[in-house]
Amino acid sequence: EVQLVESGGGLVKPGGSLRLSCAASGFTFSHYSLNWVRQAPGKGLEWVSSISSTSSYIYYADSVKGRFTISRDNAKNSLYLQMNSLRAEDTAVYYCAREISNWGLDYWGQGTLVAVSS
Amino acid sequence: EIVMTQSPATLSVSPGERATLSCRASQSVSSTLAWYQKKPGQAPRLLIYGASTRATGIPARFSGSGSGTEFTLTISSLQSEDFAVYYCQQYNNWPYSFGQGTKLEIK
Repeated sequence: EVQLVESGGGLVKPGGSLRLSCAASGFTFSHYSLNWVRQAPGKGLEWVSSISSTSSYIYYADSVKGRFTISRDNAKNSLYLQMNSLRAEDTAVYYCAREISNWGLDYWGQGTLVAVSS
Repeated sequence: EIVMTQSPATLSVSPGERATLSCRASQSVSSTLAWYQKKPGQAPRLLIYGASTRATGIPARFSGSGSGTEFTLTISSLQSEDFAVYYCQQYNNWPYSFGQGTKLEIK
């Protein structure tokens, strides 16, 4: 069974940093691209970042470019999102999601809440 | 950047009736369009990919159509568990983008 489990969320002050993790199981992790998607309270889904299977290709939304860094460790079946210079508008539930080429995002974790507030 | 626009924002439909949701892309995304269902407190669920292919385990009452810039998600006979928010997403170009969502509510 495919499972994605996010962790690392919490309350952080504006300007602070946080590192999210996503532990994967039930599939060959190194074969898939992965994404982070977030949903702010009362808002819609917002794509944040993508990383290819070998980390060769990395993309970011303009809203996080220069502040967030996506990475993965295929030996540990883990995806990460390093978030720096956090702002109130980064408050959201952050989901990791597996991507299949030409399929979209087929499996999602349950999410981890990041709250940025003083 | 491709902007995805969904309509209507809210759709009120009675159980057993048909629901038709629309999604428009600001430029062509070919058929690289997915639909997701989102319920409060749950992860999004992939319904349709490639604009018209149902994902694994998705009931046949869900269907997708369209290509280029105009897409439609149809739910043929609404069940109680179908009332949720639905999002379209293009994965033709980075940055990927979602529509703002259509809330499907019970009439």
